[in-house]
Amino acid sequence: DSGVTQTPKHLITATGQRVTLRCSPRSGDLSVYWYQQSLDQGLQFLIQYYNGEERAKGNILERFSAQQFPDLHSELNLSSLELGDSALYFCASSAGWSSEKLFFGSGTQLSVL
Amino acid sequence: AQSVAQPEDQVNVAEGNPLTVKCTYSVSGNPYLFWYVQYPNRGLQFLLKYITGDNLVKGSYGFEAEFNKSQTSFHLKKPSALVSDSALYFCAVRDESDSNYQLIWGAGTKLIIKP
Repeated sequence: DSGVTQTPKHLITATGQRVTLRCSPRSGDLSVYWYQQSLDQGLQFLIQYYNGEERAKGNILERFSAQQFPDLHSELNLSSLELGDSALYFCASSAGWSSEKLFFGSGTQLSVL
Repeated sequence: AQSVAQPEDQVNVAEGNPLTVKCTYSVSGNPYLFWYVQYPNRGLQFLLKYITGDNLVKGSYGFEAEFNKSQTSFHLKKPSALVSDSALYFCAVRDESDSNYQLIWGAGTKLIIKP
């Protein structure tokens, strides 16, 4: 068990809808990262938060947004969903702001129908 | 531009035989190199990292990796494979000089260990 908790484990929704994925980092970790994993694009870094502030941005679409709350949990919001957004979304955490050792959650499998 | 290549989509090894999963990288500065493993229906788990120092790095579950600067490679190895090693393996790199501190990931190699 990595200590990173993601909910829900599975999410099925329709095109055009909006969903929220939740992540609780490992106790004491200040950084949260969001990744998207799909068969065609592999593992793609979306965004990182460190202690409540956005630290780095990757290939995150404008329809997607994230935030990290004072208790350090994070939410990833996906809106105007398209079929191509179907993927496994991982949250990871680390103690500091550098991504030298990440602890991953089990992921949220999103299916857009 | 930074990149990582895992040239094999899949590696098949008989149980008890040595295994190698290949990784090559390209960065402009000094590389920080990592291996992660993903078991079915699980998140990625950290195996080992190379930052500096000894070119042979030992990690979890009996795995090790050898950093070769001239060949820009960081191959993952294990002397004797177990069926339980079957999983998806990811190599990742970060350029020491990258202020974003983000990892660049390879596409992954599926390792299948046959009894």
